[in-house]
Amino acid sequence: DIQLTQSPSFLSASVGDRVTITCRASQGISSYLAWYQQKPGKAPKLLIYAASTLQSGVPSRFSGSGSGTEFTLTISSLQPEDFATYYCQQLNSYPRSTFGQGTRLEIK
Amino acid sequence: EVQLVESGGGLVQPGGSLRLSCAASGFTFSSYAMSWVRQAPGKGLEWVSAISGSGGSTYYADSVKGRFTISRDNSKNTLYLQMNSLRAEDTAVYYCAKGLCSGGSCSLWYYYYGMDVWGQGTTVTVSS
Repeated sequence: DIQLTQSPSFLSASVGDRVTITCRASQGISSYLAWYQQKPGKAPKLLIYAASTLQSGVPSRFSGSGSGTEFTLTISSLQPEDFATYYCQQLNSYPRSTFGQGTRLEIK
Repeated sequence: EVQLVESGGGLVQPGGSLRLSCAASGFTFSSYAMSWVRQAPGKGLEWVSAISGSGGSTYYADSVKGRFTISRDNSKNTLYLQMNSLRAEDTAVYYCAKGLCSGGSCSLWYYYYGMDVWGQGTTVTVSS
C-alpha cells in the first residue's frame, strides 16, 4: 500500500504569512495527488488535483506542485478563512486511495 | 446544483448492521465512480470503498472487506453502503464522494484525479 506522510502535522501562522505543507509518498505516484481543506464539522473541500491544477472556485493564493514522491501545497498569503486542516490524497492506485494524516493550520 | 445527501446513520450495537444511502443530484450520476470515505472522531480521513459508474466493479479497504458492501442504483441516482458485523472501530462520520474525472473517459480509472463533490456526512456510532 502507498503511504503518505504530511509535514508538519501542526502549523501556527499569522494572517498574511506564506505557508507550505509537504506530502511525501512511499513510492512514486506520478501526479496523482489531490489536496483538501476541512473545517470542523464540515466535509472536505477539494483544492488542488493532479498535483497542481486548481479546482474551480478555489482562490489563486492556493497552489500545488510536485510529482513522483514529493508534493507541496502553498498558501501565498494566509486569510482568516484558511485556518483549517489540510489533507493530501494519492490516487495512483485509484479507486483504492489513501490520505495523509493531515496538517492542522492554526492562527498564531 | 450538484449535491450529495447521505442518510441512514445512527447508533447500533456491535455485531449489528446499517445501510447508508447517498442521494445524488445535479450531475449524470451513472457516469462517475463514487466512493465512501470515513472519519473517526478526532482522526483523519480513511477511504472505505469505491464503485465504478456502471456498478460492475467494487473495491474495499482491508479494514472493511467482507463486512461492507457498496452498491448503486443508477435509476434512482443513489449510492449505498451496507455495513454488517459492525465494530466499535467503525464509529465515524461517513461521507460519500463523487470522483473527479478529467481528460478522458470516466469509465477508466486513470482519468480520476480527486473527489470533487462530498456529502455532508452521516454519523455511525457502534456501541453497546
